[in-house]
Amino acid sequence: EDQVTQSPEALRLQEGESSSLNCSYTVSGLRGLFWYRQDPGKGPEFLFTLYSAGEEKEKERLKATLTKKESFLHITAPKPEDSATYLCAVQAPSNFGNEKLTFGTGTRLTIIP
Amino acid sequence: DAGVTQSPTHLIKTRGQQVTLRCSPISGHKSVSWYQQVLGQGPQFIFQYYEKEERGRGNFPDRFSARQFPNYSSELNVNALLLGDSALYLCASSLSNYGYTFGSGTRLTVV
Repeated sequence: EDQVTQSPEALRLQEGESSSLNCSYTVSGLRGLFWYRQDPGKGPEFLFTLYSAGEEKEKERLKATLTKKESFLHITAPKPEDSATYLCAVQAPSNFGNEKLTFGTGTRLTIIP
Repeated sequence: DAGVTQSPTHLIKTRGQQVTLRCSPISGHKSVSWYQQVLGQGPQFIFQYYEKEERGRGNFPDRFSARQFPNYSSELNVNALLLGDSALYLCASSLSNYGYTFGSGTRLTVV
């Protein structure tokens, strides 16, 4: 069974203080690893998809990296508007065409002005 | 271009009642998936439909059912509601199974 573990559960940073969020995964063949941002009461907003170990993607103050066992979401010089819950999900190949996402429980990030 | 739209946004039901949630995917997207997100947890997979056929079902009881229509919109039905069914129900659509766009969800409260 696919498993995703995110750490820490919650993280409070001062504005401008860089840090990283961790996503460890166990999957029977990785088709893709996804990062989403979720604001309270809203649906997840897509950030990145990573497909193979060594791959990196960047968007503004965010950079996602992938190894064979984990992914990191690096946040550089964060601003208060970066406060949200960050969700990691994995997708495994399926013989039945079922491409479900298996999510972690998320990291709740708070940026203090 | 409109994103994934879900209706209603909020719903309050009594235990034992039935509920129907609706989802319209992004235009051109043929795959629709449903997820349940309990407060403080990550979304849990319920169903996936592609071209009106069920492609997968998560670990949910038979009280949960869904269907997809010819225009690719979808409905999620839950019968005999329990207090534990209270959650944010999310719909996601995809063009190619590689990228999923989520709607804002339906907040279901069972009292």
